[in-house]
Amino acid sequence: SAVISQKPSRDICQRGTSLTIQCQVDSQVTMMFWYRQQPGQSLTLIATANQGSEATYESGFVIDKFPISRPNLTFSTLTVSNMSPEDSSIYLCSVDNPGMNTEAFFGQGTRLTVV
Amino acid sequence: GQNIDQPTEMTATEGAIVQINCTYQTSGFNGLFWYQQHAGEAPTFLSYNVLDGLEEKGRFSSFLSRSKGYSYLLLKELQMKDSASYLCAVRDGAGNNRKLIWGLGTSLAVNP
Repeated sequence: SAVISQKPSRDICQRGTSLTIQCQVDSQVTMMFWYRQQPGQSLTLIATANQGSEATYESGFVIDKFPISRPNLTFSTLTVSNMSPEDSSIYLCSVDNPGMNTEAFFGQGTRLTVV
Repeated sequence: GQNIDQPTEMTATEGAIVQINCTYQTSGFNGLFWYQQHAGEAPTFLSYNVLDGLEEKGRFSSFLSRSKGYSYLLLKELQMKDSASYLCAVRDGAGNNRKLIWGLGTSLAVNP
């Protein structure tokens, strides 16, 4: 299992500003996943972050808007840049193990409101 | 394309049994997961199926048929605290190319 500490847990931000979300894992993991969950919706994968390489972004998400850092095997950050009200959402980081029968573990989530 | 379908909402009575279905069409398959998510919280793992058949874990069971692209989550002896959203997810790919494809979730309301 893995325990993920994610912060901040919530924030209210002005449009046009940026927010950086941090995730710290209690064990070394190769891949970290960043998700967005809009109200009443399911999880949408933003990008996958591997240590030592650029993040891989899903369709509809770009590095300029959601820059990601992965400086080591236990830590990652996601920045939501130049925010607009449409970015109001819950952002979740997640890890798993590459073995077949291991589930994904999640941070507590960051509830972002852009005003 | 990638597609996972599950009912949007279900209602059941405390003490009863409810079955939540999930059908999937994905380019790859390396296992199917069920998660529970209470409002305002992160998803928590319930079950995992990679081979056909039934996996039982206490009050929760999950079934998989890979040939039919079908799974269900069975909740027995429903309790009020089971009111939550239930998410079906399929793991696509392996190694550094793996990722989870998520359904939209089924909102379950358990009534007294």
